[in-house]
Amino acid sequence: GENVEQHPSTLSVQEGDSAVIKCTYSDSASNYFPWYKQELGKRPQLIIDIRSNVGEKKDQRIAVTLNKTAKHFSLHITETQPEDSAVYFCAARPDSGGYQKVTFGTGTKLQVIP
Amino acid sequence: GAVVSQHPSWVICKSGTSVKIECRSLDFQATTMFWYRQFPKQSLMLMATSNEGSKATYEQGVEKDKFLINHASLTLSTLTVTSAHPEDSSFYICSVRTGRINQPQHFGDGTRLSIL
Repeated sequence: GENVEQHPSTLSVQEGDSAVIKCTYSDSASNYFPWYKQELGKRPQLIIDIRSNVGEKKDQRIAVTLNKTAKHFSLHITETQPEDSAVYFCAARPDSGGYQKVTFGTGTKLQVIP
Repeated sequence: GAVVSQHPSWVICKSGTSVKIECRSLDFQATTMFWYRQFPKQSLMLMATSNEGSKATYEQGVEKDKFLINHASLTLSTLTVTSAHPEDSSFYICSVRTGRINQPQHFGDGTRLSIL
């Protein structure tokens, strides 16, 4: 099955700085990679996703890059704000066959220091 | 607005009680629903995949007789934790996906289960 590794587990940055979270996956069949933000006690919320036919995607201060050959993808948050503080999960999913289950990374707790 | 409704949001009950959690898809027909469990400071672990009209598929290590899943309609799936014990205390979250490929999953608000 798929195995998704995520680093770092915790990340502290000063407000205004950039934050980068990296993930690797093992199953070459995975071709959809969402990123979720989860605040304490709440449900994960999709913040950005990328498909394997795209190398980079950007949405305002958030960007995701994908290197399908190396099987790794990253989340970049620029100009961080205190409200960005949360736990972020990367995930991988095949879009063909089976039940298309999502495999989550272990999570990164991001703290943005005002 | 909310796409997925999950109830209850919080349950506290005695050991040995069975607890039912509902997950409803509000805006579309969900052919597939997923049930996750999340322990404090850990990731979401898939427990089972629920398909409308058929038996759920359980992940390795998840007891199907302990965690009963029913997906009787395209908008409702239920998870029943039978004879719950303190070690079953966790955050249970459902997610739904439409039958079309290339669609993201939408998560419910989760149910925090505390067994005394």
